[in-house]
Amino acid sequence: DAGVIQSPRHEVTEMGQEVTLRCKPISGHDYLFWYRQTMMRGLELLIYFNNNVPIDDSGMPEDRFSAKMPNASFSTLKIQPSEPRDSAVYFCASSSTTGANNQPQHFGDGTRLSIL
Amino acid sequence: DQQVKQNSPSLSVQEGRISILNCDYTNSMFDYFLWYKKYPAEGPTFLISISSIKDKNEDGRFTVFLNKSAKHLSLHIVPSQPGDSAVYFCAAYAPSGTYKYIFGTGTRLKVLA
Repeated sequence: DAGVIQSPRHEVTEMGQEVTLRCKPISGHDYLFWYRQTMMRGLELLIYFNNNVPIDDSGMPEDRFSAKMPNASFSTLKIQPSEPRDSAVYFCASSSTTGANNQPQHFGDGTRLSIL
Repeated sequence: DQQVKQNSPSLSVQEGRISILNCDYTNSMFDYFLWYKKYPAEGPTFLISISSIKDKNEDGRFTVFLNKSAKHLSLHIVPSQPGDSAVYFCAAYAPSGTYKYIFGTGTRLKVLA
């Protein structure tokens, strides 16, 4: 089975540009999560969706960040305008609530974002 | 405010010996805990979990211990192997009607051959 697929794997862009990160969750998973990894804060949850609906976006750092999930197989995280402090690795994860409780989240391999 | 803390950023262990990774939490409402392992340039992968109704869970070389009164959990790897060299994250899940995990900052384990 294909895992969570993220694109691009690497993104280098100049400050002020719009950045769009993409994620395809595991088929059949009804939860999708966006995380940011930094040295200081580890893995921070930015936002998560259930059945394509945003449930909790309290981790989104500011209005420059937005996320959408137009259908069950695709989500985007957009930063506009980007700033150097947004440089980090961004992970997407998905999970299922069917079956046993507390199903673990499955992560993609991340997008390494560098804002110059 | 970090609710899940991994106070050791790195740990080195000789191959064949025991690795012990520690994690502390502050929220007594957390009732389920997980450990994830992360290799460079890859996403974290689930390793082992434990419910708050247990104090130990074992899976092969990996054992997680939970001390609720101390709000502390630990991951033991015995025997350690070079392939275990990775960053280990602990995570906690609170039954607050959400499906959020709170992750620690990670501990980098290096197993020396």
